[in-house]
Amino acid sequence: NAGVTQTPKFQVLKTGQSMTLQCAQDMNHNSMYWYRQDPGMGLRLIYYSASEGTTDKGEVPNGYNVSRLNKREFSLRLESAAPSQTSVYFCASSVGLGQGSETQYFGPGTRLLVL
Amino acid sequence: GIQVEQSPPDLILQEGANSTLRCNFSDSVNNLQWFHQNPWGQLINLFYIPSGTKQNGRLSATTVATERYSLLYISSSQTTDSGVYFCAGSGGSEKLVFGKGTKLTVNP
Repeated sequence: NAGVTQTPKFQVLKTGQSMTLQCAQDMNHNSMYWYRQDPGMGLRLIYYSASEGTTDKGEVPNGYNVSRLNKREFSLRLESAAPSQTSVYFCASSVGLGQGSETQYFGPGTRLLVL
Repeated sequence: GIQVEQSPPDLILQEGANSTLRCNFSDSVNNLQWFHQNPWGQLINLFYIPSGTKQNGRLSATTVATERYSLLYISSSQTTDSGVYFCAGSGGSEKLVFGKGTKLTVNP
């Protein structure tokens, strides 16, 4: 049981390049999330998916797109990377709202540097 | 939206000491969680505690929902407790709002 996995662990991009961050969970969770963590800012929600086939914006969605590929996988895409998107990105999952526990479980993170 | 304030921002302890971390919310929450981020960056969920008190080993948490705050207690601290502690909450959705964290350093 690997929990929540993320790839890649580290990535360097040039301004304007695109990339997709991958996330998968093997806990049969309904809900999945993407956060970014910047120094002194805590974690901020980018997008989340309450169930397969649905996505919703979080606090900081601009510059990002997401795809809930299936129940296990939730990807985050940067179409045209900007230096302001340099951050550590975390994926998380939970059983789901109203399921008795909204406890969120996090992946190891992806460090992204945009030059 | 909900605002989350954590205090203190930094805390330095000697091994064996006890500590209390506080989290205040600007509005009612019914989903409140505490996390520990270790020095290697991994985030671990400590408690899901929208109300009441829970204990897990040397850690315990209490949430007083009517007064919009939560406390995390660490007893007999160890160097492995070092890291950043985050609280996060939401008021009926899954959109957790995180505080900026309390950085704890436990010295041997």
